Amino acid sequence: EPEVTQTPSHQVTQMGQEVILRCVPISNHLYFYWYRQILGQKVEFLVSFYNNEISEKSEIFDDQFSVERPDGSNFTLKIRSTKLEDSAMYFCASREYRGRGNQPQHFGDGTRLSIL
Amino acid sequence: DAKTTQPNSMESNEEEPVHLPCNHSTISGTDYIHWYRQLPSQGPEYVIHGLTSNVNNRMASLAIAEDRKSSTLILHRATLRDAAVYYCILRDVQGGSEKLVFGKGTKLTVNP
Repeated sequence: EPEVTQTPSHQVTQMGQEVILRCVPISNHLYFYWYRQILGQKVEFLVSFYNNEISEKSEIFDDQFSVERPDGSNFTLKIRSTKLEDSAMYFCASREYRGRGNQPQHFGDGTRLSIL
Repeated sequence: DAKTTQPNSMESNEEEPVHLPCNHSTISGTDYIHWYRQLPSQGPEYVIHGLTSNVNNRMASLAIAEDRKSSTLILHRATLRDAAVYYCILRDVQGGSEKLVFGKGTKLTVNP
């Protein structure tokens, strides 16, 4: 069964450094998402992306965050200047486009980001 | 997004059925009921969804009350691999939002 893959599985970065989290969505999917989960807390929506532009973003997704689909297969989340509070699991998800959003989102197993 | 209410935790024995309840008294006519689960150290995983009628797939069954104000996810024979946090989420297919809004879910413990 096709799946969403995320790399790296664990990223350790110094505070203030830039980090790029990478995702390869399922190949025929057209909607892409990033979520995050701080340890012990709920899964939180960050951003959705369709047709090469952001379609929705949360309050968490401020100017320090950006997303890109640099080629036909990758979907990336960049954090420009990381803060301690950015430490979390980051999940990428994708959805096939078939009409309005009733189809499930398929998640990767996440990247654990640790900011020192 | 319409709110859902789930018990914080439930416990089951292996090979027994499990009924996970969800209340969504403010559900609108265009809200689909989705269930996801999150196994330890993994991303959320889609389980099942429905609108009005009961639904079955290879993972589970979804029973939806006639007034749609509650639903129950049914695992017919729990296995140790079913130990996870289960999330009941409403998705408005008429609205413009793509996001899934996760609550705290129900943590299911399966005893051997």
